Amino acid sequence: NAGVMQNPRHLVRRRGQEARLRCSPMKGHSHVYWYRQLPEEGLKFMVYLQKENIIDESGMPKERFSAEFPKEGPSILRIQQVVRGDSAAYFCASSPPGAGDNEQFFGPGTRLTVL
Amino acid sequence: GNSVTQMEGPVTLSEEAFLTINCTYTATGYPSLFWYVQYPGEGLQLLLKATKADDKGSNKGFEATYRKETTSFHLEKGSVQVSDSAVYFCALTGNTGGFKTIFGAGTRLFVKA
Repeated sequence: NAGVMQNPRHLVRRRGQEARLRCSPMKGHSHVYWYRQLPEEGLKFMVYLQKENIIDESGMPKERFSAEFPKEGPSILRIQQVVRGDSAAYFCASSPPGAGDNEQFFGPGTRLTVL
Repeated sequence: GNSVTQMEGPVTLSEEAFLTINCTYTATGYPSLFWYVQYPGEGLQLLLKATKADDKGSNKGFEATYRKETTSFHLEKGSVQVSDSAVYFCALTGNTGGFKTIFGAGTRLFVKA
């Protein structure tokens, strides 16, 4: 059973470009979470999605950031018009429906560098 | 809201020394508690977890006990190895308000040979 997959692992963008980060949850998992880790800091929650629904986006910046988890295909975190401050590692996690112990399984992350 | 506070690092120990990394939390309801480990350039790996008061999570010689009375989940290991050098994150996931995981700031551990 493959774990959570994220691609690309490394992404370089120039200021003003768009960044698209993909996350494929573990098989059978319908809940996806996105977290951001700034250098030398802990992870900060961004958004929680279920298939075709955003459940909690309280950690998402109000502008330029969006996320989706379509019925088919991976979850996408999209950052428009990137700025240097967006440089960070972005981690995706997934969990199965009704996870009683609330454990989330993390992917390897996408490291975004904005030049 | 929910929060996690863990001791600041870095923590530097000699091989075979005893390790404690303190973690306290604030949460409503009955959260699940976790320790994750992050090796350089990698993602997070679950180290251990506890889902209710007085549970003890353990893995690879690491232990932590869910103490509701002191709202703590301190990580301990009796004898650290150089390979334990990493960043350790204490975290909680609430059972109210959406299941998002709240992480502590992380504690970097260096183990010297």
